[in-house]
Amino acid sequence: GENVEQHPSTLSVQEGDSAVIKCTYSDSASNYFPWYKQELGKRPQLIIDIRSNVGEKKDQRIAVTLNKTAKHFSLHITETQPEDSAVYFCAAYDGGSEKLVFGKGTKLTVNP
Amino acid sequence: NAGVMQNPRHLVRRRGQEARLRCSPMKGHSHVYWYRQLPEEGLKFMVYLQKENIIDESGMPKERFSAEFPKEGPSILRIQQVVRGDSAAYFCASSPQGGRQETQYFGPGTRLLVL
Repeated sequence: GENVEQHPSTLSVQEGDSAVIKCTYSDSASNYFPWYKQELGKRPQLIIDIRSNVGEKKDQRIAVTLNKTAKHFSLHITETQPEDSAVYFCAAYDGGSEKLVFGKGTKLTVNP
Repeated sequence: NAGVMQNPRHLVRRRGQEARLRCSPMKGHSHVYWYRQLPEEGLKFMVYLQKENIIDESGMPKERFSAEFPKEGPSILRIQQVVRGDSAAYFCASSPQGGRQETQYFGPGTRLLVL
């Protein structure tokens, strides 16, 4: 089945700096890659996703890049703000099924 | 347009009791997924249902756990004879059509505590 590895597990940056979180996946048939943000005690919220027909997608300060050959995708947050502090999860669909396999999460802390 | 609804938000049970968790998908969504999240960990798939059908239950323990999504009403995840290891946050998600490029939208979760 699909295996999703996520790094780093924790990331601390100064306000205004950029943050990058990386994920690798194992199933070459995977073609949809969402990123979720989860604040403490809250639901995972979709912040951006990418499908395999594109290599990059941007939404204001957030961007995701996809390298299908290397089987990895990354989340980029620019001009970080304290409210960006949360746990971020990447995910990919498993094999021929419709279950999402999640990375273990990255705890991002943005220091004012 | 209401999002995915779950209730109760918090549930306390003693060992051996039953827990029933409910999930109402977003309007127009007919596909429901249940995930479990242990403290400080990621989400683990449990079961995927469409109306009146279980499509994939490969992530759900064979004993004590069951799920349904009836023609009318919410999806229900049922845990019988709960044990302390069942303490976790249970999230459901829904999508409009299913499929491997569909976005899944999550509910607020039910936090189960087994004493």
